Amino acid sequence: AQKITQTQPGMFVQEKEAVTLDCTYDTSDPSYGLFWYKQPSSGEMIFLIYQGSYDQQNATEGRYSLNFQKARKSANLVISASQLGDSAMYFCAMREVNTGTASKLTFGTGTRLQVTL
Amino acid sequence: NAGVMQNPRHLVRRRGQEARLRCSPMKGHSHVYWYRQLPEEGLKFMVYLQKENIIDESGMPKERFSAEFPKEGPSILRIQQVVRGDSAAYFCASSPGQTNEAFFGQGTRLTVV
Repeated sequence: AQKITQTQPGMFVQEKEAVTLDCTYDTSDPSYGLFWYKQPSSGEMIFLIYQGSYDQQNATEGRYSLNFQKARKSANLVISASQLGDSAMYFCAMREVNTGTASKLTFGTGTRLQVTL
Repeated sequence: NAGVMQNPRHLVRRRGQEARLRCSPMKGHSHVYWYRQLPEEGLKFMVYLQKENIIDESGMPKERFSAEFPKEGPSILRIQQVVRGDSAAYFCASSPGQTNEAFFGQGTRLTVV
């Protein structure tokens, strides 16, 4: 069963606008972590933001924020004031602590974001 | 503090040859993870190693693939008798402990011709 679902294969946003990238997850583990990574055309994986399942507040890192809705099992990434350099693939990933390999990540299929002028 | 270093960045092999991918973790990191990314897909976990030990190889194909992380030197992902379906980007990540965030290298892009 797919554990991380990203339903938006591609998204467009105008420069300076905000955009939300969707991510839902499935786990029976009460302790888990959720990550977002950016993969530009050059191919490297750039860590953006992390949310722990027990964190009381939504994570924020500069222009990135994570809209964590635990009951809905969603962890959407919000990018504010989009810039042309934000054009990239974005991956949501989950780490389940009780798998025995705590840092093993399960990735979604990604969303390709294109920022336009 | 240098990041996770992978080499080569690009590797071309003919069908039937061997591919060796190297990963030097960040300084102080003793945990290494290998992931594979097929074209247009997300990353898939392959193997998790600590120094001299394979901890979790649940994502490794049963044949032709092996990984090691010796006491000295980089971690090596070895693919024997490569086939076209092995063409992918292979990423290494390292962390200082089991529950810490893992930092990714820039990946090795393997092309089998």
